Amino acid sequence: AQKITQTQPGMFVQEKEAVTLDCTYDTSDQSYGLFWYKQPSSGEMIFLIYQGSYDEQNATEGRYSLNFQKARKSANLVISASQLGDSAMYFCAMRELDAGNMLTFGGGTRLMVKP
Amino acid sequence: EAGVTQFPSHSVIEKGQTVTLRCDPISGHDNLYWYRRVMGKEIKFLLHFVKESKQDESGMPNNRFLAERTGGTYSTLKVQPAELEDSGVYFCASSRLAGVIGELFFGEGSRLTVL
Repeated sequence: AQKITQTQPGMFVQEKEAVTLDCTYDTSDQSYGLFWYKQPSSGEMIFLIYQGSYDEQNATEGRYSLNFQKARKSANLVISASQLGDSAMYFCAMRELDAGNMLTFGGGTRLMVKP
Repeated sequence: EAGVTQFPSHSVIEKGQTVTLRCDPISGHDNLYWYRRVMGKEIKFLLHFVKESKQDESGMPNNRFLAERTGGTYSTLKVQPAELEDSGVYFCASSRLAGVIGELFFGEGSRLTVL
């Protein structure tokens, strides 16, 4: 079974609008971490935001926020005020303590920001 | 502070040849990870070093792959002999903390093309 599911292979958003990228996960661990990474066309993986399973508040980093709904096992990324430079692939990933600390990635969502 | 650096950024070799990829983690990061994304597939974990020790190498595909981290600083990943299916992007990542807490920073990746 897929551990990380990103159901949106591609999305468009108008510049300056907000966009939500979906991510659901599957784990039986009580302790885990959730990550979002951005991969622009140049190829590097850029860390955006992190949420620990015991964190009670949603993580925020500038224009990025993580809508963490533990009971639903979802960790959606919200990007506010989209910019043209936000066009990229976005990967959701999970690290489970019982899985040897390896990251499991979703298939990614390609976000395209329209001017 | 320098980020995770990887060399070479792109390598093109023929089937049967050997390639060595290098990763320099962020200074002070004891944890070093290798991941790869072969074409059209998800990013997959290869292995995890804690200092010079292999903590988890469950993702290594076969014995043609050899990873080392002598002295607990930089790491190398050697593919010998390379096969066509080894083509993809090899990412290195490092973190100060292990476990589910802590951020994980990736390098820009080394693209390997096997002809």
